[in-house]
Amino acid sequence: DIQMTQSPSSLSASVGDRVIISCRASQSVNRNLNWYQQKPGTAPKLLVFAASSLQSGVPSRFSGSGSGTDFILTISSLQPEDFATYSCQQSYSFPRTFGQGTKVEMK
Amino acid sequence: QVQLVQSGPEVRKPGASVKVSCKASGYIFSVYFIHWMRQAPGQGLEWVGWINPKDGGTKYAQKFQGRVTLTRDTSISTHYMELTSLRSDDTAVYYCARGLLLRGVGMFDFWGQGSLVTVSS
Repeated sequence: DIQMTQSPSSLSASVGDRVIISCRASQSVNRNLNWYQQKPGTAPKLLVFAASSLQSGVPSRFSGSGSGTDFILTISSLQPEDFATYSCQQSYSFPRTFGQGTKVEMK
Repeated sequence: QVQLVQSGPEVRKPGASVKVSCKASGYIFSVYFIHWMRQAPGQGLEWVGWINPKDGGTKYAQKFQGRVTLTRDTSISTHYMELTSLRSDDTAVYYCARGLLLRGVGMFDFWGQGSLVTVSS
């Protein structure tokens, strides 16, 4: 199975901050990497697919980059509604696997 | 609009079984695979398996082989996940999600609201 490791596991930030979340795969997944946002008590929401493509309706302050084993999700200017947990997920092989999540909290 | 509506919370004793439903609407039922994931309290997401609604073909994570069965009823556009021999560490929110393949990359673009399964004696 491909292991997905995110860092940090949590971070504190303020509105307007630039936030960077990392995801590392235990082997190359090419660009088969997706990012999800999850708020407490709700289902995950697809933000970015294929490493850098923004899902329809997702604000342009979100962006993804990377390929192979190292990926980054960037929020260019954090908004109040962005406080949530973010998870990466590989779709290179089965079983599909997720990172453990990065919780973005208010400073 | 695409919707996946799941069944309500369940409480089971260890050793029992549970069956969770996921009713699909707003798209052609037979076209999109449905995947099931789970999330234990305070933990990350874990993939359980998928079902092809066209022919009922399935694929399961090795961890769940022999304990999980995915089925569907095309007449009512509903998917099911049954998990048997429940243990306390099966306590989790179970999600169904639609699988989409775009530019050669698979993703989960629509999710059900989740069904909490609690296993406790």
